[in-house]
Amino acid sequence: GNSVTQMEGPVTLSEEAFLTINCTYTATGYPSLFWYVQYPGEGLQLLLKATKADDKGSNKGFEATYRKETTSFHLEKGSVQVSDSAVYFCALRGDSGAGSYQLTFGKGTKLSVIP
Amino acid sequence: DAGITQSPRHKVTETGTPVTLRCHQTENHRYMYWYRQDPGHGLRLIHYSYGVKDTDKGEVSDGYSVSRSKTEDFLLTLESATSSQTSVYFCAISENRGSSTEAFFGQGTRLTVV
Repeated sequence: GNSVTQMEGPVTLSEEAFLTINCTYTATGYPSLFWYVQYPGEGLQLLLKATKADDKGSNKGFEATYRKETTSFHLEKGSVQVSDSAVYFCALRGDSGAGSYQLTFGKGTKLSVIP
Repeated sequence: DAGITQSPRHKVTETGTPVTLRCHQTENHRYMYWYRQDPGHGLRLIHYSYGVKDTDKGEVSDGYSVSRSKTEDFLLTLESATSSQTSVYFCAISENRGSSTEAFFGQGTRLTVV
């Protein structure tokens, strides 16, 4: 079945530091990949997505590139802000069979940014 | 914001009692999902629906049932709540089943079983 592995947290960074959150996946076929963000007390919001190999998703200064050769979708941001403090989830949706009905999530990485 | 409302937002219940959580959407999306979120596990799918009266099990369906009698409402029922079902429950919706399709999430229901 499909699975997602992302780096364990929590991650604490100073404002303006560079952020990387690693994500690797296992899936058959050609899944789509997503990063969701959850701010305290809220539901999940889509941050960015990529639907095929070598696609780069980007939003709010965050980027992630779909690397099929390494089955990875690492999240990066060049300069984090305090407002980026949240939990980040990597997820995939398969392109066929039962896996296409659902999102499979990683365990989440909590990011705290200190001034 | 996608029109998804979960109710109640918080609930404390006793072991052995039945509990029903409601998800209501105003987007007319065909697919609806119930997830639970637990520390160290991320989000895990409980049940999903692909249309009125069409539902199927997810990864962690034991102890839960669902019903969808209208497009806009998806109910999750814990027949006899247990402490292991203490969790945050999220409803999600999506327009179709395509792999690139985004899912939209509700605000969550925090359930405590004592």
